[in-house]
Parts: sequence; C-alpha cells; structure tokens
Amino acid sequence: ETGVTQSPTHLIKTRGQQVTLRCSSQSGHNTVSWYQQALGQGPQFIFQYYREEENGRGNFPPRFSGLQFPNYSSELNVNALELDDSALYLCASSSGGRDWNYEQYFGPGTRLTVT
Amino acid sequence: EDQVTQSPEALRLQEGESSSLNCSYTVSGLRGLFWYRQDPGKGPEFLFTLYSAGEEKEKERLKATLTKKESFLHITAPKPEDSATYLCAVSAGSNYQLIWGAGTKLIIKP
Repeated sequence: ETGVTQSPTHLIKTRGQQVTLRCSSQSGHNTVSWYQQALGQGPQFIFQYYREEENGRGNFPPRFSGLQFPNYSSELNVNALELDDSALYLCASSSGGRDWNYEQYFGPGTRLTVT
Repeated sequence: EDQVTQSPEALRLQEGESSSLNCSYTVSGLRGLFWYRQDPGKGPEFLFTLYSAGEEKEKERLKATLTKKESFLHITAPKPEDSATYLCAVSAGSNYQLIWGAGTKLIIKP
C-alpha cells in the first residue's frame, strides 16, 4: 500500500509569484484535504476535495485554489504569493468522503519559503 | 466559537517517567477527537480516534481517554523515540473541517 506523497519537498519563491504543489493520495482514498502549518502551530484547514469537487473551505483567500483529478491526486495553487504564505503545506487523504469522522493520513509536506 | 487547547506547550521527561498530555475542547456536538504524532519537518501520523466520553484506546506506551470536555494522552515509561509533537483535532457539529490544537512538544531525555 502506497502512502500519501507530496512534491516538491522544498520550494523557494519570490513574493508575487505563483506556485503549484502536488499530492498523490493513499491507495483506496477518495478524499484529499490541504492544510497550512506555520512553525509551532497546528495545521490550518485550507480546503477539501471529494471526488473532484470542493467539499469545504477554510478561512483562506481565493488566491488559494485547488483541483482533484480522477485518480484522486490533487494540486494546490497559490497565486500572488505573500511573505506570510511561508509554511509547511500538508496534504491528507482519507476514505470517508464528506464524513469527517474518518482518520486522515498525511504526506510529508512541502516546505514553501517566500522571499 | 469552537476551540481546541492543548497543554502543556512543551514537556520534558526523563526516560521511563510517565505523564499525561491534555487536549481540552469547547465545541457543539462532538463527532470525533483525533490524536496525531508529528516529527520535525514531517506530516502528522495518525494515532487514535475517540468518539464518545468514556472511550479509551491504547497503542504500545500510549493510551488516549476522552471525557465530555477533554482528552488525555497518557504515556507510560516513555523512551527517547517517543519525542515528538502530539496534536489533537476535533470534528464537531455540522462543521466540515477539523479544529486543531497547537500541539504539545514532548522531549524524552535518556
């Protein structure tokens, strides 16, 4: 069984640029969630995708957008990068669909640094 | 407002010294409480899900318990490899997102 994978591992971007982060969900999982985690903080929910549709969104501006593909892999896109976007971006997959009582399995994260 | 608070922020123990981490929550209609372990620079690793007050779950040296207002993660005779940040998260009511605490950083000294 393949776990959740994310790419790239690290990324350095300049303020104002755009970035795309990628996630492959665990085999058999149909739901992907994206989180932003600042140093010393818990993850902050960005959005969730279930069967290619956005299933919920946290308190993030529209410049954070995403996609889920038929194979349940996913992308997180961030436009007009700001310095405060520097963080660890985590992808998590689960098999619960819209039911939040299912445990999520996380990838290793992408460390984004905006300069 | 739904809230999850973890304490202490950091805990240093000697190897073999048992202790407990706390996760208190203020939510409407708890659906589930989750414990995760996170190593530096890595994604959280799932440990337990608890659904109702009185429920307990164990895994190796860890035992999680749940009341109507809080959850405890008990660690018995910890080893240095148990050093990590322990996060709890709550699913509640009609809110479709998990509410996360800031974590407790646990350091076990040999």
